[in-house]
Amino acid sequence: RKEVEQDPGPFNVPEGATVAFNCTYSNSASQSFFWYRQDCRKEPKLLMSVYSSGNEDGRFTAQLNRASQYISLLIRDSKLSDSATYLCVVISFNDYKLSFGAGTTVTVRA
Amino acid sequence: DAGITQSPRYKITETGRQVTLMCHQTWSHSYMFWYRQDLGHGLRLIYYSAAADITDKGEVPDGYVVSRSKTENFPLTLESATRSQTSVYFCASRQNTEAFFGQGTRLTVV
Repeated sequence: RKEVEQDPGPFNVPEGATVAFNCTYSNSASQSFFWYRQDCRKEPKLLMSVYSSGNEDGRFTAQLNRASQYISLLIRDSKLSDSATYLCVVISFNDYKLSFGAGTTVTVRA
Repeated sequence: DAGITQSPRYKITETGRQVTLMCHQTWSHSYMFWYRQDLGHGLRLIYYSAAADITDKGEVPDGYVVSRSKTENFPLTLESATRSQTSVYFCASRQNTEAFFGQGTRLTVV
């Protein structure tokens, strides 16, 4: 079983729509969680960290559910510029490596 | 400029040749990583390092060698390139939480 799994999508949504997707992780010792964004096979860049209480950054909301071992990302009022691949990243308590999910592709259409 | 740089950006090599991908960061981050990215697999960890002279195998280390004699450099060597090593390679560094990626090296083995 992969350490981090994501729904690959693609999610094809109209501008203004809300889109949400999840990421599950297998290691219960996972400590830190992030969402990264990757455009057109360029380098991944941090979108936001995910905190236990959930957090928002503008139109983006991230949630963590430790009991069920998943994190989620919700994008409200989608913009064309939100089209990208969103990567779930997990760091374990007893390790320092970053484990990536395979990514969820979102395409926002006009 | 501060940052993380990879070289070369593009490389074509022949099967059986040795090739080294360079990675240099200017922040003195302790942790450095090498990933490869292939369609359908996302980012897979090849090797990682916690400090100079400390390296660990990741998910797909076979056929690769790394060294870290200086904190700022983390070269990745393909000892005898194979077509299956055709990929996009990303180097990353991290100190606390956020990881920063180089722009990637597109390697083609013919």
